[in-house]
Amino acid sequence: NAGVTQTPKFQVLKTGQSMTLQCAQDMNHEYMSWYRQDPGMGLRLIHYSVGAGITDQGEVPNGYNVSRSTTEDFPLRLLSAAPSQTSVYFCASSSLREQFFGPGTRLTVL
Amino acid sequence: AQSVTQLGSHVSVSEGALVLLRCNYSSSVPPYLFWYVQYPNQGLQLLLKYTTGATLVKGINGFEAEFKKSETSFHLTKPSAHMSDAAEYFCAAMNGYGQNFVFGPGTRLSVLP
Repeated sequence: NAGVTQTPKFQVLKTGQSMTLQCAQDMNHEYMSWYRQDPGMGLRLIHYSVGAGITDQGEVPNGYNVSRSTTEDFPLRLLSAAPSQTSVYFCASSSLREQFFGPGTRLTVL
Repeated sequence: AQSVTQLGSHVSVSEGALVLLRCNYSSSVPPYLFWYVQYPNQGLQLLLKYTTGATLVKGINGFEAEFKKSETSFHLTKPSAHMSDAAEYFCAAMNGYGQNFVFGPGTRLSVLP
């Protein structure tokens, strides 16, 4: 089992560019989520999904889109990147008793 | 809404000294509780978790935590700090699925020689 995988590991964007952060899990979990981590603020929930075709907003959803076409994949899209989106992004996949985290994507927006 | 607080954003201990990192949660229903460690430029690694059963939970690297319902606490301890323990530690609580998974703000542990 690979667990939760994320690509890319690092990315630099210019303001206004778009990109998609990829996330995949092989544990057949229904629940997946995206977090961003900023210094002194812990991890904050961006979007989550309770199954294929179902997504909802978390604490800080503005500027991000998600979709869930399959159980395995949960991509996060930045339509027009802003410097405030410079952060480390973690994808997670949940069972009823635990969340499993990907290795993270470090994004810098210039 | 559920919340998790960690007292002290930065804790320094001497090598060999006791490590105590504090975590309190607010929830009407006792949640599942977790401690994660994050080394610089790394992802999150699960140290230990409490779901049900024994309230004293042992984790990796010599860490343990005790769930105290009366104090709504889940403090992390290690009897003797090692230089390699220097990292950021996050407490988290989960009630049901991940949409109710809440992190504390983190505590940075420094270990002094």
